[in-house]
Amino acid sequence: AQSVTQLDSQVPVFEEAPVELRCNYSSSVSVYLFWYVQYPNQGLQLLLKYLSGSTLVKGINGFEAEFNKSQTSFHLRKPSVHISDTAEYFCAVLTNYGQNFVFGPGTRLSVLP
Amino acid sequence: NAGVTQTPKFQVLKTGQSMTLQCAQDMNHEYMSWYRQDPGMGLRLIHYSVGAGITDQGEVPNGYNVSRSTTEDFPLRLLSAAPSQTSVYFCASSYLGATDTQYFGPGTRLTVL
Repeated sequence: AQSVTQLDSQVPVFEEAPVELRCNYSSSVSVYLFWYVQYPNQGLQLLLKYLSGSTLVKGINGFEAEFNKSQTSFHLRKPSVHISDTAEYFCAVLTNYGQNFVFGPGTRLSVLP
Repeated sequence: NAGVTQTPKFQVLKTGQSMTLQCAQDMNHEYMSWYRQDPGMGLRLIHYSVGAGITDQGEVPNGYNVSRSTTEDFPLRLLSAAPSQTSVYFCASSYLGATDTQYFGPGTRLTVL
């Protein structure tokens, strides 16, 4: 069975600073990888996904993530954050034969002025 | 398009009561799913459907029933509510399958006393 670990439950960062949110997964088969964002009192919204091809994936709002198969990681990065990036971020994995998503516990990003 | 709609927004039940959480989408999406979100646990998949008349279990299906008689609607039934089912419930849909971008509803906050 797959599992997803997000090592940091909370990440505070000052505005315009860079940020990296970490995601590691375990799976015995090939996977697809996703990052979703949840703004307060809202549903989730897709930031980016890796299905195949280039391991560097660019998403919305200036975010990007890099798939590292050997380290089973899919860390999310942004070079300069804004106050509006304050939200909870979820990493998720889907096996390439399944329809069953597994989400990580989430990382709460707080951008400070 | 209204996107994915969920009703009600809030609900309080007593232990043993039954109820149905409604989910509808107007985007002609084939794939629909139900998640529950609990603090520190991310989202967990309850049930999903790959098209009208087809449903399958996710990670935490016990105590919940679903049906998919039309493409648009995917109701979630709690047969006999328990305090452990206190959670926020999200419905999501995507055009073809789980690898497509999932669009989430605004959620239903359920409390079981």
